[in-house]
Amino acid sequence: EVQLLESGGGLVQPGGSLRLSCAASGFIFSTQDLSWVRQAPGKGLEWLSAISASSGRTYYADSVKGRFTISRDNSKNTLYLQMNSLRAGDTAIYYCAKDRGMSRITLFDYWGQGTLVTVSS
Amino acid sequence: DIQMTQSPSSVSASVGDRVTITCRASQAISSWLAWYQQKPGKAPKLLIYVASNLQSGVPSRFSGSGSGTEFTLTISSLQPEDSATYYCQQANSFPLTFGGGTKVEIK
Repeated sequence: EVQLLESGGGLVQPGGSLRLSCAASGFIFSTQDLSWVRQAPGKGLEWLSAISASSGRTYYADSVKGRFTISRDNSKNTLYLQMNSLRAGDTAIYYCAKDRGMSRITLFDYWGQGTLVTVSS
Repeated sequence: DIQMTQSPSSVSASVGDRVTITCRASQAISSWLAWYQQKPGKAPKLLIYVASNLQSGVPSRFSGSGSGTEFTLTISSLQPEDSATYYCQQANSFPLTFGGGTKVEIK
């Protein structure tokens, strides 16, 4: 059974940093592309960042480019999101999501339960 | 960036009704579209991929169609457990983008 378990969320002050983790199991982690998607309270879904299976390619939304860094450790089956210079507008539930694995396109067949990040003084 | 526009933003229908949700892309995305269902407090769930393919385990009352810039998600006979918010997502190119969501309520 595929499982994605996010952790690392919490309350952080504006300008602060946080690192989210997503521990994966139930599939061959090193062969799958992964993404982070967030959802602000009462709002829709916003894709943030993606990383290829080998970490050779990363992609970012303009809203987080230069502030957030996606990475992965295939030896630990874990995905990360380093978030710096956090703003109130970054307050959201952060989900990690697994790519369904279809060549050339990216969509998500499994999602974690999410971790809440609150940016407030 | 490709903008995804869903309509309506909400719909209220009775059990057994046919419900159709539309998603429009700001530029052609072939069939590279997915539909998700999200219930309150839960993560999204993949329903449809590549516009019309039913994800494993999803009831057959859900169907998707379309290509290019216009897509639809249809629930052929609405059930109480279908009360949720539905999102489309273009899978054509980065940055990936989602529609604003359609809330489906049961009358």
